[in-house]
Amino acid sequence: KQEVTQIPAALSVPEGENLVLNCSFTDSAIYNLQWFRQDPGKGLTSLLLIQSSQREQTSGRLNASLDKSSGRSTLYIAASQPGDSATYLCAVDNYGQNFVFGPGTRLSVLP
Amino acid sequence: EAQVTQNPRYLITVTGKKLTVTCSQNMNHEYMSWYRQDPGLGLRQIYYSMNVEVTDKGDVPEGYKVSRKEKRNFPPILESPSPNQTSLYFCASIAGQGPYEQYFGPGTRLTVT
Repeated sequence: KQEVTQIPAALSVPEGENLVLNCSFTDSAIYNLQWFRQDPGKGLTSLLLIQSSQREQTSGRLNASLDKSSGRSTLYIAASQPGDSATYLCAVDNYGQNFVFGPGTRLSVLP
Repeated sequence: EAQVTQNPRYLITVTGKKLTVTCSQNMNHEYMSWYRQDPGLGLRQIYYSMNVEVTDKGDVPEGYKVSRKEKRNFPPILESPSPNQTSLYFCASIAGQGPYEQYFGPGTRLTVT
């Protein structure tokens, strides 16, 4: 059964720092991996999706990488801002059969 | 605007009173799914549907029923809600062609007393 973990569980950084969030999964037979942002009490906003054949995706200050063979993905946030404060979730797609989410990393960026 | 909508956004009900939550998408997506989110447990998939009339159990289907009569709608039914179904529920949809990006609704916060 696929299991997804995220490290760290929480992170607090001063504004302007670059940071890395980690996602690990146990079964490398995935179709894609998607990173989401969730603000308190709100829905999920898709940030980046990496297909299994890709190594990384970039959108603005965000860069996500995928190493399928080792079961790892990282989300890199450059020059963090207070508006980046949220919970970040990764989810793996087991070839459309079901999706498994990690528990999330709660990020606080201090002004 | 392409979106997934859920209604109601907030719902309080009593144990045993049957209820249906609505979920609709206007993107002509084949795949739809329901999740619940609980503190400390994260997001867990309840049911999913690959297309009309095709549904499958996710990780936590107990206490829920679903049907997919139309492509745009995927409503879950709680036949006899119990307090352990108090949760934040999300509906999501995905297009039938790759890269299979998930789009989420705004959530329905359900309280069962």
